[in-house]
Amino acid sequence: AQKITQTQPGMFVQEKEAVTLDCTYDTSDPSYGLFWYKQPSSGEMIFLIYQGSYDQQNATEGRYSLNFQKARKSANLVISASQLGDSAMYFCAMRDLPKAAGNKLTFGGGTRVLVKP
Amino acid sequence: DAGVIQSPRHEVTEMGQEVTLRCKPISGHDYLFWYRQTMMRGLELLIYFNNNVPIDDSGMPEDRFSAKMPNASFSTLKIQPSEPRDSAVYFCASSLAGSTGVYRNEQFFGPGTRLTVL
Repeated sequence: AQKITQTQPGMFVQEKEAVTLDCTYDTSDPSYGLFWYKQPSSGEMIFLIYQGSYDQQNATEGRYSLNFQKARKSANLVISASQLGDSAMYFCAMRDLPKAAGNKLTFGGGTRVLVKP
Repeated sequence: DAGVIQSPRHEVTEMGQEVTLRCKPISGHDYLFWYRQTMMRGLELLIYFNNNVPIDDSGMPEDRFSAKMPNASFSTLKIQPSEPRDSAVYFCASSLAGSTGVYRNEQFFGPGTRLTVL
């Protein structure tokens, strides 16, 4: 069974500083995808960034980057230059089933980030 | 472009009543997912459809829950009878199907329906 672990339930970060959110995963499938979503207090789930298991480079999307360490099975999200609007819940998710079995995701428990001015 | 649309946004009902949640996926998407989010259990996948066909309903908590997708642009999640422990935020999400290999095709979530069962 696949598993996603986010060990940090909550954390504070000073505005304009960088923050790293941890995510480890467990799978025996060599083909998988890792996703990060943001959920602000308003409740919607917003896709941030994706990393495929065969991608040679770490994914980046604006101020978001993914520190992908395949051997350690970790996919940590780095948010650079934090802004007050980054205060939210962040979820790591994995899809490790082959295409024939569907496109479903398994989510971690989330990390709540609060950016301090 | 319109995203995933869910209705109602908020629903308050009494125990024993039937509740129907509705979802319109993004046009052209092949997959539709229903999730439930609670503080205690986090985000749980209830059921998902591929081309309107239910693929995996193993997350549906019990027979009181049922989901349908009569066409590519509409799905419902029904709870009958509802119980206080069903109180949660219910999300619908949709995505494109993959082609081959490892693909992105992220899920796009609707705004959710906050259900309160008294």
